[in-house]
Amino acid sequence: ETGVTQTPRHLVMGMTNKKSLKCEQHLGHNAMYWYKQSAKKPLELMFVYNFKEQTENNSVPSRFSPECPNSSHLFLHLHTLQPEDSALYLCASSQAGHRGGYTFGSGTRLTVV
Amino acid sequence: QQQVKQSPQSLIVQKGGISIINCAYENTAFDYFPWYQQFPGKGPALLIAIRPDVSEKKEGRFTISFNKSAKQFSLHIMDSQPGDSATYFCAASQSAGGTSYGKLTFGQGTILTVHP
Repeated sequence: ETGVTQTPRHLVMGMTNKKSLKCEQHLGHNAMYWYKQSAKKPLELMFVYNFKEQTENNSVPSRFSPECPNSSHLFLHLHTLQPEDSALYLCASSQAGHRGGYTFGSGTRLTVV
Repeated sequence: QQQVKQSPQSLIVQKGGISIINCAYENTAFDYFPWYQQFPGKGPALLIAIRPDVSEKKEGRFTISFNKSAKQFSLHIMDSQPGDSATYFCAASQSAGGTSYGKLTFGQGTILTVHP
């Protein structure tokens, strides 16, 4: 399988639940990103990992916890979320040291009830 | 200075017409300008990109026009089709060397609707 794969595609969780989003890329890229996309809002960068090291955290609440065990996998652990966290969560990857675009996954549609 | 401003927020075009989406940036260090297309339920996909050493790039019905002095670039979709209906994002980044990554700064997005 090629490209960036995100699972699950849809997730409904209660505010007291704990769940994880998974992202996997088979492109040999070194940088991976989490974005939040809410209705009628621009793409919001959440976290950046470069060569497995977190390089950016854009003031994201601690109820979102990223994990990058290797350059091919990225997780977003969720706990005690709020209804306003409902959104499309997108993972992307890119090649470090290379002027090029990102490859995005299809996203996880998260609904917090 | 890192912002990329995109307009319009939404655009309605008749089939066969020309769709034009504009973006402006401030950071003169930006040297890579891609456009992404996003269909409902999908992630954004790279559509076309330009570097500042050229003023225009064309791929099929899609053309990027780039004005370095005005710090503006635009996407033109010729002979627009209902299948082009999607959200379009412009973006910009600086060169990445060595092990660093070129972080993209995205515009706010334009929802394009092409009526049959």
